Amino acid sequence: QSALTQPPSAPGSPGQSVTISCTGTSSDVGGYNYVSWYQQHPGKAPKLMIYQVSERPAGVPDRFSGSKSGNTASLTVSGLQAEDEADYYCTSYAGNNRYVFGTGTKVTVL
Amino acid sequence: EVQLVESGGGLVQPGGSLRLSCAASGFTFSDRYMNWVRQAPGKGLEWVGRSTSKAESYTTEYAASVKGRFTISRDDSKNSVYLQMNSLKTEDTAVYFCTRDTFGSMDYWGQGTLVTVSS
Repeated sequence: QSALTQPPSAPGSPGQSVTISCTGTSSDVGGYNYVSWYQQHPGKAPKLMIYQVSERPAGVPDRFSGSKSGNTASLTVSGLQAEDEADYYCTSYAGNNRYVFGTGTKVTVL
Repeated sequence: EVQLVESGGGLVQPGGSLRLSCAASGFTFSDRYMNWVRQAPGKGLEWVGRSTSKAESYTTEYAASVKGRFTISRDDSKNSVYLQMNSLKTEDTAVYFCTRDTFGSMDYWGQGTLVTVSS
């Protein structure tokens, strides 16, 4: 199972929007609506930001949104804030009790 | 409050073994699937394996990179899940996280425990 493909970096200015893509195959992203996104600050454990493609857990700002089209999922961060600077990872269920993570994207607030 | 606390990490020689533990609290552990995820120094996240619940016969599955060497088990009476790691390689050096599985995602993570495989 190969890792899902994400861009290495996604820069943005405060107040702007950034969108991160997550490309897989019909065996993972395209085959299930179990795509989730995680935010990780340096030295910290990841935090769930989006589950089931577009659902937000309680406490996650509505500036974070998710979507999916075919084999590619996307995370959009609107109204970028300094505290959004972090690494972001997507993951997808891949069948047979397996998951696959994305390669990770570093969001930089300029 | 949901809490996951990993322990058992440390330094081990290549070819050695180590058993990680994850103690859970704040939810009905026996009902939940659990995962192990690792992160090598300076690298991304890698799913290691998953255990289903008793209702699903504690089925386990593993990433290809660890299959045959790592084993996940759980003790619902102790609200704990374990990762037995055998035949360790230098490339297994990583922080290992246990996570709670919900709706096909990982909604709670422990703080992680560092495993270093080196001679």
